[in-house]
Amino acid sequence: GAVVSQHPSRVICKSGTSVKIECRSLDFQATTMFWYRQFPKQSLMLMATSNEGSKATYEQGVEKDKFLINHASLTLSTLTVTSAHPEDSSFYICSASNLGGGLTISTDTQYFGPGTRLTVL
Amino acid sequence: LAKTTQPISMDSYEGQEVNITCSHNNIATNDYITWYQQFPSQGPRFIIQGYKTKVTNEVASLFIPADRKSSTLSLPRVSLSDTAVYYCLVGDPLLTGGGNKLTFGTGTQLKVEL
Repeated sequence: GAVVSQHPSRVICKSGTSVKIECRSLDFQATTMFWYRQFPKQSLMLMATSNEGSKATYEQGVEKDKFLINHASLTLSTLTVTSAHPEDSSFYICSASNLGGGLTISTDTQYFGPGTRLTVL
Repeated sequence: LAKTTQPISMDSYEGQEVNITCSHNNIATNDYITWYQQFPSQGPRFIIQGYKTKVTNEVASLFIPADRKSSTLSLPRVSLSDTAVYYCLVGDPLLTGGGNKLTFGTGTQLKVEL
């Protein structure tokens, strides 16, 4: 149990275009999803927290108009990088948790997706 | 959020036991301690989680002293495939707004050699 998927796994786009990344919890309902960004040789940096059906909470320094997050259902959250530029090239990782827990997952653990490598030319 | 401090890197050999210690001096009463493993270009993988004393699962043990200001991840008989970055995180699962907001530190790069 506790499988999180991301799509696409890798994307290359031209500068100025928008890219959408999907994060899905496959076998549990994710009341909360998190989006992280990781640059080479660095740790994960939390970008935003989203709860199903409500607006995302962004970390300081993260532009909410540039990184649009939608968490429309208990199993899907999307991150859209709008007007992407080369400096947005990074590894984007989502995670999901469920405070309600369940038979197979802990109530207070984040389960991470495999990540999406974004390259902006 | 509690800040964590870990060694930047550790080296070991196959078959040895590896202990990675993490300091979290300002851990809060409701905080849990969680360890993740990350391979290059992959998302972190949950290893183990605990609140106090000792927790053991099929891959690792987690030792937490009574004051909870530190924790030690123990990997028995490591192999080459255990070469990865290991992150120690603390967080409160009942934070307002839901979810367990975690802050990743620098992590520990473990290198296992033959």
